[in-house]
Amino acid sequence: EAAVTQSPRNKVAVTGGKVTLSCNQTNNHNNMYWYRQDTGHGLRLIHYSYGAGSTEKGDIPDGYKASRPSQENFSLILELATPSQTSVYFCASGSGRGTGQLYFGEGSKLTVL
Amino acid sequence: AQSVTQPDARVTVSEGASLQLRCKYSYSGTPYLFWYVQYPRQGLQLLLKYYSGDPVVQGVNGFEAEFSKSNSSFHLRKASVHWSDSAVYFCVSSNTNKVVFGTGTRLQVLP
Repeated sequence: EAAVTQSPRNKVAVTGGKVTLSCNQTNNHNNMYWYRQDTGHGLRLIHYSYGAGSTEKGDIPDGYKASRPSQENFSLILELATPSQTSVYFCASGSGRGTGQLYFGEGSKLTVL
Repeated sequence: AQSVTQPDARVTVSEGASLQLRCKYSYSGTPYLFWYVQYPRQGLQLLLKYYSGDPVVQGVNGFEAEFSKSNSSFHLRKASVHWSDSAVYFCVSSNTNKVVFGTGTRLQVLP
């Protein structure tokens, strides 16, 4: 069964601190995505990747970096966390470039104080 | 630009009633269309998908959706809802370059 695992599931950070959200998939999918979910906005794309070593900017990349060191792993990095980045973050994997089903992790709730 | 509109932020129905959740998409061609469901404190799960062919597609748990090119719509339906259907439902459009989410409809099923 397709599996996407995120860690940590809950994180409290201080303003200005560094936060790394990790995602691992066992689907052997080329594509991985990071979204954030906020009330009234649905899911918004932050960064995505089409394979190991590649990252692309999504619709709201400012304040975030991404890293795809391997097929299985995709990280989202907040170098200087701000309260506006308090949100729930979802990682997803997929096989087609926007044409296929996405498989989501269970989300990481980040609170920046 | 590609977009997805779910005009109803919240829908409340009684258990056993029929359901329709509305979705309108904007795209010059025919995109791939999906409905996902999100239960509390969980990620999104696929309910059904439309790529081409028969405009009525069946999904899990008795859900179905109907694609209409003339109306640019992809409405989700269920004949008889159960309290466990309470969740947030997302309509999603995708093409070769982009995946676009609607803002979601929160469904509350009253016992």
